[in-house]
Amino acid sequence: DIVMTQSPDSLAVSLGERATINCKSSQSVLYSSNNKNYLAWYQQKPGQPPKLLIYWASTRESGVPDRFSGSGSGTDFTLTISSLQAEDVAVYYCQQYYSTPRGYTFGQGTKLEIK
Amino acid sequence: QLQLQESGPGLVKPSETLSLTCTVSGGSISSSSYYWGWIRQPPGKGLEWIGSIYYSGSTYYNPSLKSRVTISVDTSKNQFSLKLSSVTAADTAVYYCARHVPPGIAVLWGQGTLVTVSS
Repeated sequence: DIVMTQSPDSLAVSLGERATINCKSSQSVLYSSNNKNYLAWYQQKPGQPPKLLIYWASTRESGVPDRFSGSGSGTDFTLTISSLQAEDVAVYYCQQYYSTPRGYTFGQGTKLEIK
Repeated sequence: QLQLQESGPGLVKPSETLSLTCTVSGGSISSSSYYWGWIRQPPGKGLEWIGSIYYSGSTYYNPSLKSRVTISVDTSKNQFSLKLSSVTAADTAVYYCARHVPPGIAVLWGQGTLVTVSS
C-alpha cells in the first residue's frame, strides 16, 4: 500500500496570510508513461462531505478559487492557499490514485484554522 | 445536476451485515465515463476507501476489507449498493458514496450517512 503522510496535522494562519500543507507519499505517484502525478486534494468542512479541489497534483477543479494551488512531483506535494479566507477553515486531505483501480489512500488530514 | 444520496439503517448489531444504497439522480449510472465507490470516515478520523465498481461490473476492494465487502449495481434503479458483513464497533463511521472519474478522482460525493454498530 502507498502510505500518504501529511504535515502538519493542524495549522493556524491569520486571515489574508498564506497557508501551506504538505503531503508525502511512501512511493512515487508519478506515472512515467504520461508524466502525470496521481495526486488529489480535498477540502472537508464540518458536517459536509469532502470536496475535490485539485487533481493531477496541480489542476484546479472547476469553480475552485484561484487562491488554491497544488504543486510537487514524485513523492512530495504541497497545497497552498495564497490568502486565507474565513471560509477556508476546514480539514484538507491528499489522496493518491496511482494504485488505481486496486486501491486509493488518503493522508490523515490537516486541520486548518484561523489564528 | 447529478446528485448522490446514501440510504440504509443507521444502527447495525455486531456480527450482522451493514447494507447501504446510493441513489444516483440527475444522470445515468450506466455512463462509461465514470465509476462508483464507497468511502468511510470513522467519527473524528480520516477517510478510508472501501471499494469501487466500474461500469463494466468489475469491482475492486480495499484489501483490508475485501473478505467482508460486496459492491453491486442496479442499473434499472440507478443505484449501487454496499454490503459489509460481520461488522464490529470499528465499522462505525459515516459512509459516503462517490462518483469517480478514471483513474480515481472522486469528483462528486453524497452527503454521507452515519452507521453505528452497537447492540
